Amino acid sequence: GENVEQHPSTLSVQEGDSAVIKCTYSDSASNYFPWYKQELGKRPQLIIDIRSNVGEKKDQRIAVTLNKTAKHFSLHITETQPEDSAVYFCAASFIPGYSTLTFGKGTMLLVSP
Amino acid sequence: GAVVSQHPSRVICKSGTSVKIECRSLDFQATTMFWYRQFPKQSLMLMATSNEGSKATYEQGVEKDKFLINHASLTLSTLTVTSAHPEDSSFYICSARRPDRGTDTQYFGPGTRLTVL
Repeated sequence: GENVEQHPSTLSVQEGDSAVIKCTYSDSASNYFPWYKQELGKRPQLIIDIRSNVGEKKDQRIAVTLNKTAKHFSLHITETQPEDSAVYFCAASFIPGYSTLTFGKGTMLLVSP
Repeated sequence: GAVVSQHPSRVICKSGTSVKIECRSLDFQATTMFWYRQFPKQSLMLMATSNEGSKATYEQGVEKDKFLINHASLTLSTLTVTSAHPEDSSFYICSARRPDRGTDTQYFGPGTRLTVL
């Protein structure tokens, strides 16, 4: 089955800095890679996703890059703000079909004012 | 967006009792829903995939007789923790897939905090 590794487990940055979280996956058939943000005690919220037919996707301060050859993808947050502090999870799955999401172990991002 | 609700948000029960958790997709039909368990400061662990009108598919190591899943309609899946024990205490989160928009995005419910005394 799929295995997703996520690094780092914790990341502390100063407000305004950039943050990068990296994930690798094992199954070359995986073609859908979402990123979720989870605040303490709340539900995971989808913040951005990417499919394997593109290499990069941006949404304001958030971007995701995908390297299919190396089987890794990264989340980039620019101009970080204290409200970006949360746990971020990457995931991988194969679509279409009834594939399940395999999650990384999460990265706790702390943005200090 | 898509809205997924979960009820109850918190439940405290005595050891040996059963607890039912409901997951509803409020503004879309979900043929597939997922149940996850999350321990403090850990990732989401998939327990089972709930398919409308058929039996749930359980992940390895998850006892199907203990965690009963029913997906009786396109908007409702239920998870029943039977004969709960303190080790079943956890945060249970459901998600629903919305394929009608051409994506495979999963939308999560707010979670249910189960405490077994």
